[in-house]
Amino acid sequence: SAVISQKPSRDICQRGTSLTIQCQVDSQVTMMFWYRQQPGQSLTLIATANQGSEATYESGFVIDKFPISRPNLTFSTLTVSNMSPEDSSIYLCSVGDRGEKLFFGSGTQLSVL
Amino acid sequence: SQQGEEDPQALSIQEGENATMNCSYKTSINNLQWYRQNSGRGLVHLILIRSNEREKHSGRLRVTLDTSKKSSSLLITASRAADTASYFCATDANQAGTALIFGKGTTLSVSS
Repeated sequence: SAVISQKPSRDICQRGTSLTIQCQVDSQVTMMFWYRQQPGQSLTLIATANQGSEATYESGFVIDKFPISRPNLTFSTLTVSNMSPEDSSIYLCSVGDRGEKLFFGSGTQLSVL
Repeated sequence: SQQGEEDPQALSIQEGENATMNCSYKTSINNLQWYRQNSGRGLVHLILIRSNEREKHSGRLRVTLDTSKKSSSLLITASRAADTASYFCATDANQAGTALIFGKGTTLSVSS
């Protein structure tokens, strides 16, 4: 199992600003994923955070808008850049091996005014 | 892209009753998983069933998988108020390099 600390747990931001979300895992993990959950919706995969290389983004998500860092096997950050109200969502960090269960952080609830 | 589709979207039952949620998916899979989410927070893994399995149990949970129909069901027996949450199915598509794809979820409300 893995224990994930994600922060901040929530934030209210002004449009045009950026927010960086941190994800810390209590053990080394190969795979880290960032998901977005828009209000009342399911989870959508933003990207896979790769240690030592650029993140792999899903269709509809770009590095300029959602830059991701993965400096080591226990830590990753997701930045939501130049925010607009449409970015208001819950952002979730998760870890796990492909084909096995995922462990999730408690999420970051972002509201953009 | 959305892989799983749950139904019903919402379900309201009384404590002690059973709750059944269904999930359909589109492509072949390695496994299918069910997760619970309380109040829009982080998801908790409930159960994983592999493509060569047909049924799996964990406590009050029973999951079935029918790969010919590309569908799964989650049964919660003797429900409790604490089971009130959103439930999502997620599939690990049978393609190299893909992550879990989540369905739209079923919101379960259990009243005492």
